[in-house]
Amino acid sequence: DQQVKQNSPSLSVQEGRISILNCDYTNSMFDYFLWYKKYPAEGPTFLISISSIKDKNEDGRFTVFLNKSAKHLSLHIVPSQPGDSAVYFCAATGSARQLTFGSGTQLTVLP
Amino acid sequence: KAGVTQTPRYLIKTRGQQVTLSCSPISGHRSVSWYQQTPGQGLQFLFEYFSETQRNKGNFPGRFSGRQFSNSRSEMNVSTLELGDSALYLCASSSTGAEQYFGPGTRLTVT
Repeated sequence: DQQVKQNSPSLSVQEGRISILNCDYTNSMFDYFLWYKKYPAEGPTFLISISSIKDKNEDGRFTVFLNKSAKHLSLHIVPSQPGDSAVYFCAATGSARQLTFGSGTQLTVLP
Repeated sequence: KAGVTQTPRYLIKTRGQQVTLSCSPISGHRSVSWYQQTPGQGLQFLFEYFSETQRNKGNFPGRFSGRQFSNSRSEMNVSTLELGDSALYLCASSSTGAEQYFGPGTRLTVT
């Protein structure tokens, strides 16, 4: 039973364009959502988060959108850069504060 | 501030042996969580410690255990190793419990 789903295993985007990564969740008890970036053989790097009381949070080139009614969140990266190429994980947590991760999306930014 | 550190980075063990992994959290962070990453199961929560007490536990057998010391450093132990325990073990620390910052991981190979 996957509570957090990333349905696109991979995404390719041209440098300078927008990258949109999507994530769906099923558990209504989740109240905090995070995006992490991961390179092989390294730990995930925290990128940006959003609380369930908000619908948008921005940090530089990264923006996360949350649609609670649809149980959907997305990460927008604008403009995309080759250094953004990595696996992106969305994660969700509730009061127990244990992260439940999606399966990841491999983003490739083409020069 | 120094990030989360994990030792050792790589480990090779034989089936039936036991292993202890170590994690030093970011200074001031009192919550330490452990995750297992495998190609088949993705990133899965093992357990979380806060102020030397296990606060949450994931769905793993009792062979997986951990502890936290008064300086917030944490260890996890896996006894009677199985081939399926081969994975990247990640430690994350947090001050709030929600935003978790990961170390580089320990790559465990069981032969």
